Amino acid sequence: QEKLVQSGGGVVQLGRSLTLSCAASGFNFLDYDMNWVRQGPGKGLEWVALIGHDIYSQYYMESARGRFTVSRDNSRGRVTLQMNDLAVDDAGVYFCARSARNFASMDVWGQGTTVAVS
Amino acid sequence: QSVLTQPPSLSAAPGQKVTISCSGIGSNIGLHSVSWYQHIPGTAPKLVIFDNHQRFSGIPGRFSGSKSGTSATLAITGLQTGDEADYYCGTWDSRLSAVVFGGGTKLTVL
Repeated sequence: QEKLVQSGGGVVQLGRSLTLSCAASGFNFLDYDMNWVRQGPGKGLEWVALIGHDIYSQYYMESARGRFTVSRDNSRGRVTLQMNDLAVDDAGVYFCARSARNFASMDVWGQGTTVAVS
Repeated sequence: QSVLTQPPSLSAAPGQKVTISCSGIGSNIGLHSVSWYQHIPGTAPKLVIFDNHQRFSGIPGRFSGSKSGTSATLAITGLQTGDEADYYCGTWDSRLSAVVFGGGTKLTVL
């Protein structure tokens, strides 16, 4: 079964850092680009970052550039989102998701993890 | 404010048909294929449509997608109460070098 299992998240103080992780299983992780998508309280889905299957391509939403870093370990089937200088607007539920046919078609999603900024 | 524009909410009776629009510009929908997601808050989003009109595995034929120019549409026929959810369109934007989503449409099946 193709699966993404997330860990990390929690309550963090304004301006501090937090790392989210996502472990893949049941598919060849090397073949897929990976995303982070979030949903703030009362808001819609918002794409955060993408890392290419080859690790060299990385893209970020504008407000994440310079603060967030997406990385992956293809040997362990894991993708990570390092978030620095967290702001109130960064609070929400974060999902990792696998891109399928193209960047925006995400067919496998993690269960979501909550980030709260105090 | 989202890059792609969707109606905030729609409602229809069971058995009826509803269409959800998604409007963009040349650098996003005009150039790239559109995906649609069904999201029930508190759960993970589900891919419904990819490549503008392809149904994802397990999605019933009641769901269909189309694209014309810089707009896309998701149609759901034979509405069921289980279709109540938020629906989002998404695509790549070449100018932003980013995945962009619509603001979401809350579908109510009365």
